[in-house]
Amino acid sequence: QVQLQESGPGLVKPSETLSLTCAVSGYSISSGYYWGWIRQSPGKGLEWIGSIYHSGNTYYNPSLKSRVSISVDTSKEQFSLKVTSVTAADTAVYYCVGLYSGTYCDHWGQGTLVTVSS
Amino acid sequence: SYVLTQPLSVSVALGQTARITCESNNIGRKNVHWYQQKPGQAPALLIYSDTNRPSGTPERFSGSNSGNTATLTISTAQAGDEADYYCQVWDTSTAFFGGGTKLTVL
Repeated sequence: QVQLQESGPGLVKPSETLSLTCAVSGYSISSGYYWGWIRQSPGKGLEWIGSIYHSGNTYYNPSLKSRVSISVDTSKEQFSLKVTSVTAADTAVYYCVGLYSGTYCDHWGQGTLVTVSS
Repeated sequence: SYVLTQPLSVSVALGQTARITCESNNIGRKNVHWYQQKPGQAPALLIYSDTNRPSGTPERFSGSNSGNTATLTISTAQAGDEADYYCQVWDTSTAFFGGGTKLTVL
């Protein structure tokens, strides 16, 4: 059973960098899935941030691409998200996900709330 | 940008059938995936590739996709089906979600 667990600071100051990590268990991060990040602003819908394959190939939401990077550490069975120059608009619950063949998200972390505030 | 349009809300009487639509130009040419999000929980995959149910999705949930509309059908609606439902597609290596539909079971 694949399990995903997000971790990282719950509070980030404006203009700083948001950093989150997702630990993968129950499945090898190198075994065919894509791994990604989705966020949900309070009371709003879902927004895809980007995804990565274990080889390092990445796909980003064009609207966020200039500020986002996703990386994978196969030795630690985890992948990470960085969002630079954050503003209040980046306040959201961030979910890490596993994407079967890079298409649909059939595994989700529980989500972690990140608030951008001074 | 690929826009997926869902109704903000749908209401259904207990035991009746609810239909939630997801509209976009020629969406029938794409694979549509549906997610269910109950209050306070992470979303969960409900239907993938238009019509397929993951293990764990009751048979009461079904999907279809043709032309400009994909539809999620919930038969014999139960109180526990109250949730937000999102459709999702891929277009030019980008994932797009619909705005979500809140299902109310009366």
